[in-house]
Amino acid sequence: QVVLQESGPELVKPLETLSLTCTISNYSITNDHYWGWIRQPPGKGLEWIANIHHTGSNFYNPSLKSRVSISIDTSKNQFSLNLSSVTAADTAIYYCGRVDIAARHVDFWGQGTQLTVSS
Amino acid sequence: SYDLTQPPSVSVSPGQTASITCSGDRLGNKFASWYQQKPGQSPLLVIFKDSKRPSGIPERFSGSNSGNKATLTITGTQAMDEADYYCQAWDSTTLVFGSGTTVTVL
Repeated sequence: QVVLQESGPELVKPLETLSLTCTISNYSITNDHYWGWIRQPPGKGLEWIANIHHTGSNFYNPSLKSRVSISIDTSKNQFSLNLSSVTAADTAIYYCGRVDIAARHVDFWGQGTQLTVSS
Repeated sequence: SYDLTQPPSVSVSPGQTASITCSGDRLGNKFASWYQQKPGQSPLLVIFKDSKRPSGIPERFSGSNSGNKATLTITGTQAMDEADYYCQAWDSTTLVFGSGTTVTVL
């Protein structure tokens, strides 16, 4: 069973850069899947942020692309998200997930990490 | 940008059938997936490739997708099915989620 675990700060100040990491267990990040970040603001729906493949191929949500960077560390079986110039609107639960690119869905999700943007 | 529209809420009596729709331009030409999310939990994939169920998902969950609409059907709805449901599709290189539907089992 694939297990994903998000890690990162719970609180970030406005205009700072958020950095989150997803650690994958029981599955190699170099297998043929994409890996992605999805977020959910309080009381709202799901918003996709970005996907990455171990080859470096990546896709970004156009609405966030100017502030987002996704990267992968195969030696640690991890991938990471950087989100710059955060505001209160970036307050959300951030999930990482395994993306089946052929079938076009997210089949495994992490438990999520709560991020609050506040001074 | 590509939008997927769902009704905000659906109510159903126990044992009855709940149908949740998801509308998007030419959605039938894409794969539709559905996720169930209960309070405080991560989303759970319940339908992928329009109508396929992952291992462990009960048979009462089924899906269809044609034209501009995908539908998630829960047959013989149980109290444990009360949750938020999100449709999802892929548009070009963008992963898109629907607005979400709260299913209430009365």
